Amino acid sequence: DGGITQSPKYLFRKEGQNVTLSCEQNLNHDAMYWYRQDPGQGLRLIYYSQIVNDFQKGDIAEGYSVSREKKESFPLTVTSAQKNPTAFYLCASSIPPVGGRLREQFFGPGTRLTVL
Amino acid sequence: GENVEQHPSTLSVQEGDSAVIKCTYSDSASNYFPWYKQELGKRPQLIIDIRSNVGEKKDQRIAVTLNKTAKHFSLHITETQPEDSAVYFCAASGRGDYKLSFGAGTTVTVRA
Repeated sequence: DGGITQSPKYLFRKEGQNVTLSCEQNLNHDAMYWYRQDPGQGLRLIYYSQIVNDFQKGDIAEGYSVSREKKESFPLTVTSAQKNPTAFYLCASSIPPVGGRLREQFFGPGTRLTVL
Repeated sequence: GENVEQHPSTLSVQEGDSAVIKCTYSDSASNYFPWYKQELGKRPQLIIDIRSNVGEKKDQRIAVTLNKTAKHFSLHITETQPEDSAVYFCAASGRGDYKLSFGAGTTVTVRA
């Protein structure tokens, strides 16, 4: 389970506030991902980054922003533009596809965000 | 983009019986199909995966089958045990694609 960490475990936010979720990995993985998990909806991709200083929108990027200034870190900011931010957020990392073959994603423990 | 559907959403089995979860995918170019297990309050973890050049893969009590023609794949758990109780997610990804598309999950409960 070690190697990828998220903080904080629980986060409370007032409406209208931006909040940043931390994700750090020491697995030397180039690729990192942010997912949102809601009951009955599986994991939905918010943003992903294949390499430092580069990232792409996933399926539900509206209201979120990311940065990838360091290989080890991929913070996610939930902005006030996100209409329904209360959810469980999971970060993951992996080595890049090899020969076009995607590799295992390793997940962090998650952050549960609640908007008050 | 890829659309993955997963059935059933909940599954209750008697300890010792088998459990089967089925997933369908929409993109015929998808070539990687992992299964993740998420125990209550924990992070998802990969339990088995299969690539499109293989029809079946086994790992002890767990097996996955893939039917590329019909675009569906299934997870089979034999001789279920209480520790198999968890949420299971299937996923699919295309060649060279960094993204995984996940199914909605199946909550498996193993009754003692």
